[in-house]
Amino acid sequence: AQSVAQPEDQVNVAEGNPLTVKCTYSVSGNPYLFWYVQYPNRGLQFLLKYITGDNLVKGSYGFEAEFNKSQTSFHLKKPSALVSDSALYFCAVRDSPSGTYKYIFGTGTRLKVLA
Amino acid sequence: DTGVSQNPRHKITKRGQNVTFRCDPISEHNRLYWYRQTLGQGPEFLTYFQNEAQLEKSRLLSDRFSAERPKGSFSTLEIQRTEQGDSAMYLCASSEVGADRNNEQFFGPGTRLTVL
Repeated sequence: AQSVAQPEDQVNVAEGNPLTVKCTYSVSGNPYLFWYVQYPNRGLQFLLKYITGDNLVKGSYGFEAEFNKSQTSFHLKKPSALVSDSALYFCAVRDSPSGTYKYIFGTGTRLKVLA
Repeated sequence: DTGVSQNPRHKITKRGQNVTFRCDPISEHNRLYWYRQTLGQGPEFLTYFQNEAQLEKSRLLSDRFSAERPKGSFSTLEIQRTEQGDSAMYLCASSEVGADRNNEQFFGPGTRLTVL
């Protein structure tokens, strides 16, 4: 079965420092991976996706993610964190075998950027 | 069109009552999804429509839950005889069917249901 794991419930980082939010996946077939961000009382906003091609994917708001097939990871990164990046981040994998393209989400990682 | 909209944003109801939520997807998005998100968890898939056809339902969707998308545009999710365990955020998402089948899903702001 397809699944993703986000091993950290919370990540704290100082403003201006680089940040990493971890995600590992387990899929049968090719992985289709996504990152979303959720602010309080709001829906999920798309950040970036990996389908194929370059292992380094660039997305919205200065975020990027590195796809690593050997480590089955898709970590989210940003070179310099902002206080406004503080939010809940979800990694997701598309459930390919089902044909519906539904997502399977991780449990989320709360990012706190400290001023 | 500014995105996926959901109504109401908040719903408080008493156990045993019926509730209905509405989702308006982005225009021309063929695919529509419903997810449920409980506190501290990621969203969990409930059901999927392509146009007006409901093509998949999760085991999470008990027989008290029903969803429709009658004209292939907006969708409704109804919960009958609500239980306290139904308290959650109900999220709707839509995406395009195009040459790129890997189009991302766009999410609405959600409807937060509280069952007393």
